[in-house]
Amino acid sequence: GAGVSQTPSNKVTEKGKYVELRCDPISGHTALYWYRQSLGQGPEFLIYFQGTGAADDSGLPNDRFFAVRPEGSVSTLKIQRTERGDSAVYLCASSPGLAMTQDTQYFGPGTRLTVL
Amino acid sequence: GESVGLHLPTLSVQEGDNSIINCAYSNSASDYFIWYKQESGKGPQFIIDIRSNMDKRQGQRVTVLLNKTVKHLSLQIAATQPGDSAVYFCAENSRDTGRRALTFGSGTRLQVQP
Repeated sequence: GAGVSQTPSNKVTEKGKYVELRCDPISGHTALYWYRQSLGQGPEFLIYFQGTGAADDSGLPNDRFFAVRPEGSVSTLKIQRTERGDSAVYLCASSPGLAMTQDTQYFGPGTRLTVL
Repeated sequence: GESVGLHLPTLSVQEGDNSIINCAYSNSASDYFIWYKQESGKGPQFIIDIRSNMDKRQGQRVTVLLNKTVKHLSLQIAATQPGDSAVYFCAENSRDTGRRALTFGSGTRLQVQP
């Protein structure tokens, strides 16, 4: 079956612009996660959805970052007034969302965002 | 040791040798640990996981060892192949906190010499 997909694979934008990054999770996975990975670092957690609701958004760096998952499947990460420091690879992961246990998170290929 | 910026710790091995990649964690409440492999330009790929009620788990050519006393995790790769060349990350979380967010280590680059 298909894995997690993310579009676009690369996004170049100018400082101050608005961007949207899309994630299509593995079919049937109820849990969806966004992480951000800077060059040479491990991924850092941003936000986690269980179904349509954001169950944990403690990793969002500030209010310029927002994410939605209106139908409990596809998710969009939105960044307003982009800054050069937002440049990174944005990774999406999904998991079956099994209750009361950790379940394996499967990652997509990421979107490389470059803010000029 | 830990990496800073672009300077990932690197392990260089000969093809066919066994590799051991180490990871130290700091949160004594962590009870779920995962190893991911990340090739250049790709997302992390799940390799193997282990829960804190175990100290060893084996997969195909890989073994994860967990030492909770010293908060240390290792990944052993048997008969390392050129295709194993990648950056390897350990990740952890704690069921007690109810959080599903993974905390990743800074990674180790494995280079396999043919």
